[in-house]
Amino acid sequence: GENVEQHPSTLSVQEGDSAVIKCTYSDSASNYFPWYKQELGKGPQLIIDIRSNVGEKKDQRIAVTLNKTAKHFSLHITETQPEDSAVYFCAASIGAGGFKTIFGAGTRLFVKA
Amino acid sequence: GAVVSQHPSRVICKSGTSVKIECRSLDFQATTMFWYRQFPKQSLMLMATSNEGSKATYEQGVEKDKFLINHASLTLSTLTVTSAHPEDSSFYICSGEGSNEKLFFGSGTQLSVL
Repeated sequence: GENVEQHPSTLSVQEGDSAVIKCTYSDSASNYFPWYKQELGKGPQLIIDIRSNVGEKKDQRIAVTLNKTAKHFSLHITETQPEDSAVYFCAASIGAGGFKTIFGAGTRLFVKA
Repeated sequence: GAVVSQHPSRVICKSGTSVKIECRSLDFQATTMFWYRQFPKQSLMLMATSNEGSKATYEQGVEKDKFLINHASLTLSTLTVTSAHPEDSSFYICSGEGSNEKLFFGSGTQLSVL
């Protein structure tokens, strides 16, 4: 079955710097790659996603890149702010949504003011 | 984005009692909803998939008689933890599948069993 590895487990950056979180997946059939942000005591929130027919997607300070050949995808946050501090999860899915969505272990991001 | 409302946000109960958690999709119809369990500093673990009008599908190792799931309408799924014990203490999260395979999560329920 699908396996998603996420690195690093913890990331600390200075406010204004960029943060990069990387994930790899094992099943080449995966075609949907969402990223979620989870704040303490809350449920995950979808922040950006990318499908396998696209190599890069950007939404303001957040961007995601996908390399299908290497089976890895990355989240890039530029001009980080303290409110970006949270746990970020990558995920990989084959076709129909949650049933086949496999989550990474999470990255705890600390943005120091 | 779509909104999923989950209640209660926190519940403390005595061992042996049952607890019901509600998950509602407020502005979309979720034919499929999912229930997860999350331990501190860990990822989400899928417990079961809930389909409107049919029996839930449970992941391996999840006791269906322990965690009762009901999905009676397109906007409401409930998880009942029966005869709760301290080891059931955890953060439970639901999600609904919206259009284009996107998952929208509830705010979670912290269950503490004394």
